[in-house]
Amino acid sequence: DAKTTQPPSMDCAEGRAANLPCNHSTISGNEYVYWYRQIHSQGPQYIIHGLKNNETNEMASLIITEDRKSSTLILPHATLRDTAVYYCIAYSGNTGKLIFGQGTTLQVKP
Amino acid sequence: DAGITQSPRHKVTETGTPVTLRCHQTENHRYMYWYRQDPGHGLRLIHYSYGVKDTDKGEVSDGYSVSRSKTEDFLLTLESATSSQTSVYFCAISENGLAGYEQYFGPGTRLTVT
Repeated sequence: DAKTTQPPSMDCAEGRAANLPCNHSTISGNEYVYWYRQIHSQGPQYIIHGLKNNETNEMASLIITEDRKSSTLILPHATLRDTAVYYCIAYSGNTGKLIFGQGTTLQVKP
Repeated sequence: DAGITQSPRHKVTETGTPVTLRCHQTENHRYMYWYRQDPGHGLRLIHYSYGVKDTDKGEVSDGYSVSRSKTEDFLLTLESATSSQTSVYFCAISENGLAGYEQYFGPGTRLTVT
């Protein structure tokens, strides 16, 4: 599975959109991009995933570049409860063996 | 929220003692996973199961064994606990191991080995 690179930390003002980037320049054509987050010491929470097209659900939007070498997770109106570590993962297997990196710590500030 | 529970939620044990952690799901998902999380290492896969009695190793399986005798339960056993196994353990479930399916995580078990 392709290695993903994320900034270690980001800040966002409450109520504003949070845009979290992820680089996956070696991604293969059948690798999905997944986003999870972990709030404090809770279990990771699934957010969204996509292959080629942009995706949106009730939590977030996922924008994947046309060449698929990078993607952006968008939280449209960040709240203090969105403060968490966000993980971007590339995966194409058949076992579910996800590899979690260090992620991006998003701090939403009042 | 996916129906996943882990027990116990906290445990303190002594070096050399056996420990079993339980993951229970009510979703009837085929795949179940055990991860550990340590500062500086993120989440690492220990073992996973792709069906009753079907298990395989993850990236940090040494010192751990697993069993799955029922769809709903996945047990992680530390045969002889060591201080290096002090960690937070998370269970996850997935309907399918294929790409395109998401995993749902339990609340975690904090294990301290003294």
